[in-house]
Amino acid sequence: DAGVIQSPRHEVTEMGQEVTLRCKPISGHNSLFWYRQTMMRGLELLIYFNNNVPIDDSGMPEDRFSAKMPNASFSTLKIQPSEPRDSAVYFCASSLVAGYEQYFGPGTRLTVT
Amino acid sequence: AQSVTQLDSHVSVSEGTPVLLRCNYSSSYSPSLFWYVQHPNKGLQLLLKYTSAATLVKGINGFEAEFKKSETSFHLTKPSAHMSDAAEYFCVVSLNTNAGKSTFGDGTTLTVKP
Repeated sequence: DAGVIQSPRHEVTEMGQEVTLRCKPISGHNSLFWYRQTMMRGLELLIYFNNNVPIDDSGMPEDRFSAKMPNASFSTLKIQPSEPRDSAVYFCASSLVAGYEQYFGPGTRLTVT
Repeated sequence: AQSVTQLDSHVSVSEGTPVLLRCNYSSSYSPSLFWYVQHPNKGLQLLLKYTSAATLVKGINGFEAEFKKSETSFHLTKPSAHMSDAAEYFCVVSLNTNAGKSTFGDGTTLTVKP
């Protein structure tokens, strides 16, 4: 298996622009997680899905952030409009079932100038 | 409710000496416990997991962890540190259910001196 795939690996954008991060989970996994990691705040869970349904989005910082999972093999995290404080590494992870071990993608490093 | 506390934010050892990274947890139910490792500029990788079978769990790269219910601990150990072990380590607790959410510790940065 190819593991969790994230794209792009690096994104540099200007403040105010829309940013879309993409994730393909491991085939057969029913849970998908989006995390953000910064030096200041560490690793934060933003949102997670079970069977394509958002279960807990309490970690989404504000309305500028949205996440979708239209099918079992694809998810997006969108930031609109982006701000410099959104600069971070965003990880996607999947697991067979929520609560089981998670498999992380390589991350997307986002820089907002 | 569940929580996890990694007792040391930084640990420094010399190459060839033992490694001990400490983790305490709190859970209302029998938890599953995990250790992940993150090398610089990489994603997190599963080191080992405890899911109510043997209390001593062996993982990759020579790491082990022992589940101690009476102490609510799940400390990570390795007999002899290698330079390549330098990384950040995360302890994770979760409920083994379809609705279970995993709770990550704040991480421990391991430095290995030559």
